Amino acid sequence: DTEVTQTPKHLVMGMTNKKSLKCEQHMGHRAMYWYKQKAKKPPELMFVYSYEKLSINESVPSRFSPECPNSSLLNLHLHALQPEDSALYLCASSQERQAFGEKLFFGSGTQLSVL
Amino acid sequence: SQQGEEDPQALSIQEGENATMNCSYKTSINNLQWYRQNSGRGLVHLILIRSNEREKHSGRLRVTLDTSKKSSSLLITASRAADTASYFCASNTGGFKTIFGAGTRLFVKA
Repeated sequence: DTEVTQTPKHLVMGMTNKKSLKCEQHMGHRAMYWYKQKAKKPPELMFVYSYEKLSINESVPSRFSPECPNSSLLNLHLHALQPEDSALYLCASSQERQAFGEKLFFGSGTQLSVL
Repeated sequence: SQQGEEDPQALSIQEGENATMNCSYKTSINNLQWYRQNSGRGLVHLILIRSNEREKHSGRLRVTLDTSKKSSSLLITASRAADTASYFCASNTGGFKTIFGAGTRLFVKA
């Protein structure tokens, strides 16, 4: 199984809503990532978890709250988002060989619209 | 700021032609990777070249790396309509930080 599964595929939410994005992989990867991608732009790194511990937070606003409950799951909790947060949110995983910068396996993303 | 910049931003070619995309980056890297993205969905890893390598091949793909110029190129030979996608270079400076370039949108006309 070389898949990273993201749910939901599409999400529309109001600025006062609380929602969560979910990501799952069963490749035994111990590093998991959240990227944000605006239309016609490259993905931007948000968070990295290594062995279920937060390793990188790229100064992301606190209205985005990541969680890694176990080695296969990664969540992104959303609260009080702004319309400019509308984007494609991509989850990725990699083997945990930090020194080598391993290739990333991406999910198909959640297209988020904030109204 | 982005680590990598790519050119051209967009490329339109006929099926059977070769497509070349270039990438430049700003700081020393551990490796450089190329990814493909169809229609704004998930990215697919194509090839990884390490800082001590100069050239790498995978099927119809050829990647070169020039660390002295901080640049890389991706060549797709004998392109097909199915190669139509956005292509991103991504530089890894060590550890978990893989930063993507602006991307090249390739359109292959049948």
